[in-house]
Amino acid sequence: DIQMTQSPSSVSASVGDRVTITCRASQGIGTWLAWYQQKPGKAPKLLIYAASSLQRGVPSRFSGSGSGTDFTLTISSLQPEDFATYYCQQANSFPVTFGQGTRLEIK
Amino acid sequence: QVQVVQSGAEVKKPGASVKVSCKAFGYTFTSYAMHWVRQAPGQRLEWMGWINTGNGNTQSSQKFQGRVTIARDTSASTAYMELSSLRSEDTAVYFCARGMAAADPESHFDYWGQGTLVTVSS
Repeated sequence: DIQMTQSPSSVSASVGDRVTITCRASQGIGTWLAWYQQKPGKAPKLLIYAASSLQRGVPSRFSGSGSGTDFTLTISSLQPEDFATYYCQQANSFPVTFGQGTRLEIK
Repeated sequence: QVQVVQSGAEVKKPGASVKVSCKAFGYTFTSYAMHWVRQAPGQRLEWMGWINTGNGNTQSSQKFQGRVTIARDTSASTAYMELSSLRSEDTAVYFCARGMAAADPESHFDYWGQGTLVTVSS
């Protein structure tokens, strides 16, 4: 199975900050990568798919980049509702796998 | 609008089985695959399996083979996941999620159910 590793595991930031989260795959996955946001007690919400495509309805302050093994999710200007846990997911190889999550906390 | 609604929380004893349902609204059920993902307390999301809702073909992760059964009822726009031989480690929230790829297990997931908590305890 492809292993997905996110860094950092947690990050503290303030409203208005720019935040970048990285995800590394144990082998090349092209651009078959998605990012999800999950709030406590809720289902994950798709933000980005195919590494850089913004899901309909997701604010443009979210962006994704990368290909192969290294990917990033950037939030350009943090809003109060963005404090949550973020997961990456590869869909290049069976079975699909997720990163361990990055918890974004208020500083 | 598109919605996926799951059945309610379950408490089961070790060795028992649990069946979770997932009803789709707002789109043609057979045009999109349905996947099952679980999340144990404090753990990452874990993909369990999927069903091609068009032809009924299923596939599961090797970890769950022999214990998980995925099915669908097209007349009810509903998918089901049954997990047998439950153990305490199966305590988790179980999600169904619509696949963006119609007929591939390798997919991203654009709509998720609200989750079903399954607690396994003696």
